[in-house]
Formats: sequence, C-alpha cells, structure tokens
Amino acid sequence: AQSVTQLDSHVSVSEGTPVLLRCNYSSSYSPSLFWYVQHPNKGLQLLLKYTSAATLVKGINGFEAEFKKSETSFHLTKPSAHMSDAAEYFCVVSDGQAGTALIFGKGTTLSVSS
Amino acid sequence: DGGITQSPKYLFRKEGQNVTLSCEQNLNHDAMYWYRQDPGQGLRLIYYSQIVNDFQKGDIAEGYSVSREKKESFPLTVTSAQKNPTAFYLCASSPWTSGRAGGNEQYFGPGTRLTVT
Repeated sequence: AQSVTQLDSHVSVSEGTPVLLRCNYSSSYSPSLFWYVQHPNKGLQLLLKYTSAATLVKGINGFEAEFKKSETSFHLTKPSAHMSDAAEYFCVVSDGQAGTALIFGKGTTLSVSS
Repeated sequence: DGGITQSPKYLFRKEGQNVTLSCEQNLNHDAMYWYRQDPGQGLRLIYYSQIVNDFQKGDIAEGYSVSREKKESFPLTVTSAQKNPTAFYLCASSPWTSGRAGGNEQYFGPGTRLTVT
C-alpha cells in the first residue's frame, strides 16, 4: 500500500529566506511523486514531478525537490521565498500506472511574512 | 483554451436534496476523477473513471454517484444519503499513457464549494 506523510502542517518563513517542506512516502512500487500547490479556493497546480529520471527535479516558480530512495523522502525547497508562495502544498504519490488514483498527503500551509 | 471547468463555483442546498456538480474537460483525457477536500485532510478520492461508460469507487464513495456517458464529462451527484456533504469538491483528469512513462500526472479544475444547510 502507498502512503505519504507531510511532516509539517504549517511552515512560516520570512520573505527572502529559504523554504523547506518535508515529505516522506511509502510505496511497494518504484513510485512517481508530485508536489502540487493550491491557493485559497482554487484548484491544484502541479509544481513538479519525479518519474524515475533525475533525482533532483526542478519545477515552476523556482521550486525543486530531491528524491532520496534511501530516506524515502521527497522534500520541496526554494532558495528564497516570495509573498506569492503563500499557499497550501500537497505531496502526492502514485504507482505511476496510467489512470490510477493519486495518494495525497494532508498538506502543508506555507505562510510568508514581509 | 484547454482545461477543466467545474460549475458552479459555489453551490448551496438544503439538507435532503440531491445536487449534481458539473465537470467538463477538453484535454482529450481518458481518465477523470472526483476528490473531496476538507480542512486538514488533504484530498480524498470519491470516484474515478478510466474510460467512457466505466467507473470505480474510490475511498469515500458512499452517498455519491457518477456517470461517464461522454469522454469530456464526468458529473458527480451528491445524494441525500451523504451524511456530511459540505466540502470543496475537485475534479481532475489525466491522459492514458502506456506503461509508466506518463507518471499519471493529473490536471485539476477550479473546484466547487458545496454548502448544505
């Protein structure tokens, strides 16, 4: 069975400082992993995805994530936070088979202060 | 413009009434999904459909029903049997890819917030 755990429900940073959102996963397969972002009352937007190619994945808006199989982690980082990054972030795991459902973490709310 | 549309954005109903949420996509995707989102719980899968005229229950299907008569459309009905229907509902779609190359990335609509009183 697959599962995903987002280790922090809420992260607060100052504008211009680094962002780290932590995610651990469990999967019986070699998984596909995703990070999605959701702004208030909006749908979800894909930030980046890992599908067994390079372990360091670059996404949109300066975000990146590193797949570490030995640690079963897929943490999301950004060198310098911007006010517009304030949103909810979801780590997601899939066995990668087309048409199957994604398994979502419970989300991490990122707050950015000026 | 390709994408997924959900309507309406906000929906209010009285307890005991059935209500249908619309989801349409013009991405030519085979698979479509319905999720429910509650605060602090992430997204939970209600139903999904891999092809027309076929669909499967997700983790929380009780009190919901769906149909998939057209590739572009996957409406969700929230029935009076759903005990706690007030939530944010998200529809998604994904392309059908052979093997695992596609990674099963899903594309989401803007959501419908349903309030039942």
